[in-house]
Amino acid sequence: NAGVMQNPRHLVRRRGQEARLRCSPMKGHSHVYWYRQLPEEGLKFMVYLQKENIIDESGMPKERFSAEFPKEGPSILRIQQVVRGDSAAYFCASSPSLIVGQTDGYTFGSGTRLTVV
Amino acid sequence: QKEVEQDPGPLSVPEGAIVSLNCTYSNSAFQYFMWYRQYSRKGPELLMYTYSSGNKEDGRFTAQVDKSSKYISLFIRDSQPSDSATYLCAIGKLTGGGNKLTFGTGTQLKVEL
Repeated sequence: NAGVMQNPRHLVRRRGQEARLRCSPMKGHSHVYWYRQLPEEGLKFMVYLQKENIIDESGMPKERFSAEFPKEGPSILRIQQVVRGDSAAYFCASSPSLIVGQTDGYTFGSGTRLTVV
Repeated sequence: QKEVEQDPGPLSVPEGAIVSLNCTYSNSAFQYFMWYRQYSRKGPELLMYTYSSGNKEDGRFTAQVDKSSKYISLFIRDSQPSDSATYLCAIGKLTGGGNKLTFGTGTQLKVEL
């Protein structure tokens, strides 16, 4: 039973390019969360999605960032026109249930480390 | 004021020591409490979760919650070098919009031989 799969593991982009980060949740998990971890900071919530729906995007920057979780395929976090401040580790997590605390909690992927040069 | 405060460390202890990791939080609406362990260059993995005030034990790990003081702790007994990692507290509340967690900044722990 594969865990949460994120790819690529490392991504280097020049300023102004687009970054696409992919997340395949665990089998049977229909809830996906994206978090960002900046150096020396904790994980910060970005967005919560269910299949074909964005449920909570309160942590997403207003511009350049978007996320989707289509009916088929992985969830995608897209960052347009990247800037150096976007350099961070981006983690995806999935859960089988809305009630996170009644399950094994979130399961996180290993993250995508984005470097903007 | 941050919603969750956590001493970043680093914390260095000898093998076999008892380790105490702590977080405080400001919003009494939070309903559940978790501890994650994160090894370098890896994703966080869940160690413990609990809803209520009191203690919850799992092997060498004990999670403690005091809702009246808004204080949560993780104790590690007989610490091992393999416990060297960053420990993140996380708190959450169930809302109509899902279960987003608020994380502390993490405490870096090193257990030395």
